[in-house]
Amino acid sequence: DAGVIQSPRHEVTEMGQEVTLRCKPISGHNSLFWYRQTMMRGLELLIYFNNNVPIDDSGMPEDRFSAKMPNASFSTLKIQPSEPRDSAVYFCASSLAIGAGGITDTQYFGPGTRLTVL
Amino acid sequence: EDKVVQSPLSLVVHEGDTVTLNCSYEVTNFRSLLWYKQEKKAPTFLFMLTSSGIEKKSGRLSSILDKKELSSILNITATQTGDSAIYLCAVPYSGGGADGLTFGKGTHLIIQP
Repeated sequence: DAGVIQSPRHEVTEMGQEVTLRCKPISGHNSLFWYRQTMMRGLELLIYFNNNVPIDDSGMPEDRFSAKMPNASFSTLKIQPSEPRDSAVYFCASSLAIGAGGITDTQYFGPGTRLTVL
Repeated sequence: EDKVVQSPLSLVVHEGDTVTLNCSYEVTNFRSLLWYKQEKKAPTFLFMLTSSGIEKKSGRLSSILDKKELSSILNITATQTGDSAIYLCAVPYSGGGADGLTFGKGTHLIIQP
């Protein structure tokens, strides 16, 4: 299994530019999560999807951030316009939520995208 | 608001020592607690704990949950330099189904040769 795949691995951009981060979850997983990690705030949940439907986006910092999951094998996190304070490592994670009360909370993380906004 | 607090924030020990890392939590509807190890890349899963008092073990690592004290510990015996990492504790949000995780700030563990 290839695990969670993220691209790009590194992104350096200038303030005001649009940034799109991509994620392919583990095949068969039905839940996908976007996290952001900084030294100051640690790992923070931004948004997550169950069966391609956004469930909770309360962690999305501002309207400049948006996320989509058009199908079970692909998700994007977009920042438009980007700002220097968006610089962080962005992780995507996936898990399998089993129905009928059989929940697994174990999430598997991708390698992350290190974003630097100048 | 759900909260996860880890201690210590950093720890430096010598190879061969035993370490104990702590995690305490406040969550409305507790379901599980997870431990992750993060080296230079992504967090990798170690343990998921759901029942109080039952130790989970993997090699030199073990973990146990105390629901009465709202806490968990992660033990590493006979530490090696490869154990140097940030150890993260997390609990799922209080909703149903698969939920996002609330993470602690982590314990930065450094093992000196």
